[in-house]
Amino acid sequence: SAVISQKPSRDICQRGTSLTIQCQVDSQVTMMFWYRQQPGQSLTLIATANQGSEATYESGFVIDKFPISRPNLTFSTLTVSNMSPEDSSIYLCSVVGATNEKLFFGSGTQLSVL
Amino acid sequence: GQQVMQIPQYQHVQEGEDFTTYCNSSTTLSNIQWYKQRPGGHPVFLIQLVKSGEVKKQKRLTFQFGEAKKNSSLHITATQTTDVGTYFCAGRGDSWGKFQFGAGTQVVVTP
Repeated sequence: SAVISQKPSRDICQRGTSLTIQCQVDSQVTMMFWYRQQPGQSLTLIATANQGSEATYESGFVIDKFPISRPNLTFSTLTVSNMSPEDSSIYLCSVVGATNEKLFFGSGTQLSVL
Repeated sequence: GQQVMQIPQYQHVQEGEDFTTYCNSSTTLSNIQWYKQRPGGHPVFLIQLVKSGEVKKQKRLTFQFGEAKKNSSLHITATQTTDVGTYFCAGRGDSWGKFQFGAGTQVVVTP
């Protein structure tokens, strides 16, 4: 199993500012993902964080808005840039376990943008 | 691209009743997984199905993977209040691909 520490757990931000979310895993993992989950909705994949190279973004998400870092196999950050109220959501980091079988999720960051 | 559809989106169940949630993919899947998210929590892995026609049971939960590997179901018998939450299916197009989540079925159980 993988234990993921994600922080902050919640934040209230002003529009136009940026927030960086951190995700620390207790073991080295190959695949790390960032998801967004709006209230009552499913999980939407933002990007795959690649160690040593640029993240792979899904359709509708761009690096300028959601820059991602992955300096090593245990850590990643997601920044939500130039925030607007539409960015209010829960952001979740996730990793695939060592057996490549299942996803483990961080506890999430609940973001509210005023 | 791959799409995973899940129905119903909402299920209101009396305690003790059974219910089923269904998941359908537009493409053949390598495997499908099921997750449960309790209110205010994060998704937690329940099970993975890999083989065509596979059936797995976890106590009152029965998971099936279709013969064509394009659909799956989760059946819960004798629902309990502890079953409250949202159940998501997540399909993978290949063994190392990304997970495509269904919309989820939110389950509310009344005593």
